[in-house]
Amino acid sequence: VQLLQSGAEVKKPGESLKISCEGSGGSFSDYWIGWVRQMPGKGLEWMGIIYPGDSDTKYNPSFQGHVTMSVDKSINTAFLQWSSLKASDTAMYYCARGWQWLINWGQGTLVTVSS
Amino acid sequence: EIVLTQSPGTLSLSPGERATLSCRASQTVSSNYLAWYQQKPGQAPRLLIYGASSRATGIPDRFSGSGSGTDFTLTISRLEPEDLAVYYCQHYVSTPYTFGQGTKLEIK
Repeated sequence: VQLLQSGAEVKKPGESLKISCEGSGGSFSDYWIGWVRQMPGKGLEWMGIIYPGDSDTKYNPSFQGHVTMSVDKSINTAFLQWSSLKASDTAMYYCARGWQWLINWGQGTLVTVSS
Repeated sequence: EIVLTQSPGTLSLSPGERATLSCRASQTVSSNYLAWYQQKPGQAPRLLIYGASSRATGIPDRFSGSGSGTDFTLTISRLEPEDLAVYYCQHYVSTPYTFGQGTKLEIK
């Protein structure tokens, strides 16, 4: 399965956003999809994982309540969304396939939040 | 939550040398549930090692992982210029999984 993420976004604080991660070349529903944040110049942060088969989710408490993970199996796509962005959400966001270790990664979506 | 501490922060070595990167956990990583990733400049991370010592598909045998309990090591033998990257460890004992802060490998 290869993962293709949506393009870069520039948003204002308080705006909503939904970024996507489309799988191709395999059985999308059989593998968990994880999300990882990388703030500018910083390390990797595990945000959570979602299972496309039944939408079971496991969030990092540090992110729970601020982001929502979802999937649409019919189009082999996972989503990460915010209802009210903050400047501190400025980061690169990666999706990756895997329940425990992250086997292959998308190219990343750069989200910039600035007034 | 398990905290992973990587050392050194930066490692500067010459081509052909051996690199030894450390990842220490704040508590036992059961069943050796530890992975290593490589992130080259401007690229997404790439899985190198899982289960502390199993190489991912397509990873050269210059890369090896070892360790157990709370102390784990990634060894890169015979460094090549293309190994310039930041290397991260990650546990998957229980959620939330966490990453170490990374070790930057510079090639002289």
